[in-house]
Amino acid sequence: EAQVTQNPRYLITVTGKKLTVTCSQNMNHEYMSWYRQDPGLGLRQIYYSMNVEVTDKGDVPEGYKVSRKEKRNFPLILESPSPNQTSLYFCASSLREGRANEQYFGPGTRLTVT
Amino acid sequence: GNSVTQMEGPVTLSEEAFLTINCTYTATGYPSLFWYVQYPGEGLQLLLKATKADDKGSNKGFEATYRKETTSFHLEKGSVQVSDSAVYFCALSSNSGYALNFGKGTSLLVTP
Repeated sequence: EAQVTQNPRYLITVTGKKLTVTCSQNMNHEYMSWYRQDPGLGLRQIYYSMNVEVTDKGDVPEGYKVSRKEKRNFPLILESPSPNQTSLYFCASSLREGRANEQYFGPGTRLTVT
Repeated sequence: GNSVTQMEGPVTLSEEAFLTINCTYTATGYPSLFWYVQYPGEGLQLLLKATKADDKGSNKGFEATYRKETTSFHLEKGSVQVSDSAVYFCALSSNSGYALNFGKGTSLLVTP
């Protein structure tokens, strides 16, 4: 089954404790992206990757890191999480860059930073 | 820059009522337009899309027409069902296609 998976689905952590949210897709997609969803703000892009070893900042990259060492994986790293990073995070992928291409979303990771 | 504005929710309708969710956009060039749906506890799924002016996207009884003259992409359905209860997001894709700009989402609740 074609899908985007994220782990963990739920995470409660404390300020400053490094964490990684994994994202994996099995569709051989070139393009991957991370979004955060906050009430009243919709979805905002954090980082994206056009292919292996090619990443770039989205609209809200501060406090996050990403890497793309393999085509299927695109982990999101919070080196020193803070409470304002409490949010619902979605990973997405699409076959290639292109304005008409559908993005496929993972199920989401709900992160709480205390 | 690009932006999407959609009507605030929540929207509450009775089953079989007519649905309209308004969406307008600001963009340079010729963006593609999308409606995504998020059911409770799930990620977003593409509902429909349109890639050029006057295109009509349709799926599962939902429709939206790309109106360049009014920069709009309103979502409509003639008869909603309880199972349509979800959050609906309007989005646009820039010419480069690297990012989707989302509206803030409209929550729809359909009651029996």
